[in-house]
Amino acid sequence: DAGVTQSPTHLIKTRGQQVTLRCSPKSGHDTVSWYQQALGQGPQFIFQYYEEEERQRGNFPDRFSGHQFPNYSSELNVNALLLGDSALYLCASSRGNTIYFGEGSWLTVV
Amino acid sequence: SQQGEEDPQALSIQEGENATMNCSYKTSINNLQWYRQNSGRGLVHLILIRSNEREKHSGRLRVTLDTSKKSSSLLITASRAADTASYFCATDPNTGGFKTIFGAGTRLFVKA
Repeated sequence: DAGVTQSPTHLIKTRGQQVTLRCSPKSGHDTVSWYQQALGQGPQFIFQYYEEEERQRGNFPDRFSGHQFPNYSSELNVNALLLGDSALYLCASSRGNTIYFGEGSWLTVV
Repeated sequence: SQQGEEDPQALSIQEGENATMNCSYKTSINNLQWYRQNSGRGLVHLILIRSNEREKHSGRLRVTLDTSKKSSSLLITASRAADTASYFCATDPNTGGFKTIFGAGTRLFVKA
């Protein structure tokens, strides 16, 4: 049983560009959350998707958007990238209280 | 500010010693969870304690929760070099929302 898988694992983008990160949840999980983790910090909640709808959002600008597909997989899109968007982006899937995290996507904005 | 705040920020101990990390939070919660993260990798769920529980054990881990003080502690007994990682507490605030809020973490170094 595959856990949470994320792609790509590493990527470098230029300021002003757009990026799409992908996440496949653990089998049987219907809820996907996205987190941003800057170096040396704890994960910051971006948003959560359930039944293809954004259920809750953290304190992130509209440049951060997402989508959940009927198979529960999800995408995180970030437009107009800033240098400060450089971070590890973590996807987590859940069903109930236990959350499973993917290994993350390292985004570097130059 | 973040809901959970861990203390200390960093902890260095010898193999075989016990490690204690503390977490404080601000609002009432449904549950509190502890996670571990090896450098630059995803988080691994360690243990969940519900708001009506006071103590929970899992192998070498012992978690306590004091809702009156809005604090929790994670004790790792007989630490090993492989326990070297960052440890985060995370809370599900009892505000009707769905987000889990993480603290900044405690970086544990276990020297062989």
